[in-house]
Amino acid sequence: GAGVSQSPRYKVAKRGQDVALRCDPISGHVSLFWYQQALGQGPEFLTYFQNEAQLDKSGLPSDRFFAERPEGSVSTLKIQRTQQEDSAVYLCASSHPGGATGELFFGEGSRLTVL
Amino acid sequence: DQQVKQNSPSLSVQEGRISILNCDYTNSMFDYFLWYKKYPAEGPTFLISISSIKDKNEDGRFTVFLNKSAKHLSLHIVPSQPGDSAVYFCAASASRDDKIIFGKGTRLHILP
Repeated sequence: GAGVSQSPRYKVAKRGQDVALRCDPISGHVSLFWYQQALGQGPEFLTYFQNEAQLDKSGLPSDRFFAERPEGSVSTLKIQRTQQEDSAVYLCASSHPGGATGELFFGEGSRLTVL
Repeated sequence: DQQVKQNSPSLSVQEGRISILNCDYTNSMFDYFLWYKKYPAEGPTFLISISSIKDKNEDGRFTVFLNKSAKHLSLHIVPSQPGDSAVYFCAASASRDDKIIFGKGTRLHILP
């Protein structure tokens, strides 16, 4: 597709449930980023892939969060045993290293609500 | 510890006047600075960037100014238009291919 695609757009989970959020980056984009945006806050970095390699996962808040990108394209962010504080919009972004401006192209986000 | 700070949560500006959004950063390793714009229910979209080797970058109605010694940057929008009403995020990274750190955003209201 033309842009970064994320699914589902909205997810309601009961506390303790596992969730999986999918990101389909722009075709050919090598770098993929996940961010978490809580209400009224800016996007907070979670993790970063270059192709299938996870180069930085320093922003993942706990070991309940896991991300993968097995074939260097689509990525999945998994949250196990969800807690209420996990409620946020999860943004995926892709970029092409060394691009003209190096900017990130964001998807519309997946809004997670944990009850 | 906020590495990128936007101290004004909101700003209201009359249509046609200049909007000035400010941003401060603490990490001296930051080398690349960006502004993103966000409408409700959409992801942020890239607006303009500046490398630390410059002190000004202009793109149409948008100009970003960088003062490295003060660790301060600003975004000027002139003239302001109704479609500019959005949340603006200041962001920074240590290089073009590094993770980008965002501020909390400033909500800009353009008044008719």
